[in-house]
Amino acid sequence: AQTVTQSQPEMSVQEAETVTLSCTYDTSESDYYLFWYKQPPSRQMILVIRQEAYKQQNATENRFSVNFQKAAKSFSLKISDSQLGDAAMYFCAYRSARLNTDKLIFGTGTRLQVFP
Amino acid sequence: DAGVIQSPRHEVTEMGQEVTLRCKPISGHDYLFWYRQTMMRGLELLIYFNNNVPIDDSGMPEDRFSAKMPNASFSTLKIQPSEPRDSAVYFCASRSGRAISGNTIYFGEGSWLTVV
Repeated sequence: AQTVTQSQPEMSVQEAETVTLSCTYDTSESDYYLFWYKQPPSRQMILVIRQEAYKQQNATENRFSVNFQKAAKSFSLKISDSQLGDAAMYFCAYRSARLNTDKLIFGTGTRLQVFP
Repeated sequence: DAGVIQSPRHEVTEMGQEVTLRCKPISGHDYLFWYRQTMMRGLELLIYFNNNVPIDDSGMPEDRFSAKMPNASFSTLKIQPSEPRDSAVYFCASRSGRAISGNTIYFGEGSWLTVV
């Protein structure tokens, strides 16, 4: 069974600085998708960024980028130029690419605090 | 475009009462998911549908829980009778089956259920 591990329960960063959130996963599959979701206090789950395992190039979305290391099964999220609005819980998630296995497996989350 | 729409946003009910949570997926999406988030268990998949047909309900905790999708634009999750341990945030989510969508699952804002 696949698992996702986020080893940092909490992280903090100063406004305008850069922070990296860690995520590792365990799978025997070669084709899958990885996601980072943000959950602010409103509780809504908001997609931040996604990565297809077959793509070697790291995904980037504005200030958010990932460091995808397939061999190491690592998928970290880098937030550049941190803003107060980035404060939230961040969840790493895995999804198999196999047909009829449409299930997101989530890590336990990392709470990010942003200080002015 | 409208996102996934859930109702009610908040519900407080007494133990033993029936609870019905509602969801309208994003138009054109043919996969619909119900997730539950608790402090103890994190985010877990309860059930998902493809083209209105339940595909995997192995996450449904017990017979008190049932889910239906009578058409492509509406789904319900029912708990009868409700118990205090059912208190959680229930998320509905949807995705398109088309590869161009990137297999991304989009979440609603959640229904926060408290059973007293």
